[in-house]
Amino acid sequence: AQKITQTQPGMFVQEKEAVTLDCTYDTSDPSYGLFWYKQPSSGEMIFLIYQGSYDQQNATEGRYSLNFQKARKSANLVISASQLGDSAMYFCAMSRYQGGSEKLVFGKGTKLTVNP
Amino acid sequence: EPEVTQTPSHQVTQMGQEVILRCVPISNHLYFYWYRQILGQKVEFLVSFYNNEISEKSEIFDDQFSVERPDGSNFTLKIRSTKLEDSAMYFCASSASNTEAFFGQGTRLTVV
Repeated sequence: AQKITQTQPGMFVQEKEAVTLDCTYDTSDPSYGLFWYKQPSSGEMIFLIYQGSYDQQNATEGRYSLNFQKARKSANLVISASQLGDSAMYFCAMSRYQGGSEKLVFGKGTKLTVNP
Repeated sequence: EPEVTQTPSHQVTQMGQEVILRCVPISNHLYFYWYRQILGQKVEFLVSFYNNEISEKSEIFDDQFSVERPDGSNFTLKIRSTKLEDSAMYFCASSASNTEAFFGQGTRLTVV
């Protein structure tokens, strides 16, 4: 069975600084996808970034990058130049197959607070 | 930008009543999902739907729940005989064949 672990219940960062949110995963499948979603206080789930298990390069999307270390089974999210609007819950998730979004398994989330 | 739309945003229902949560997925997407998030907890998979049938469901998705795509655009989740523990945020999501899932804004269900 797949499992996602987010060990940081809460993180604080100063505005304009970078922050890393940790995510480790466990699976026996060779093919899988890793996702990060943002959930603001309003409740919606916003897709941020995706990494496939066979992708050679780390994914990047604007200020978001995913530090994928396959041997360590980690998929940390790095947010550069934090903004006040980045304050939210962040969820790491994985799917069974690279490229697919079937049956996402989510971690418990990390609450990020950006301080002015 | 296309988005997944859910209605209503908040539903209050009495225990034992039936509720239908509605979703309009992104129009060219083929895979549809329902997830649940009990307050303060992680998001849990309920069911996936493809080609007009359930492709997978979790142990949470028992006979109390059903899904339907009645008219080619809407995707509904029906909860029969609601219980207090069904109170949660319910998210609909959709994806194309090899893309990330896009989530709707959620329906907050409160069972009283």
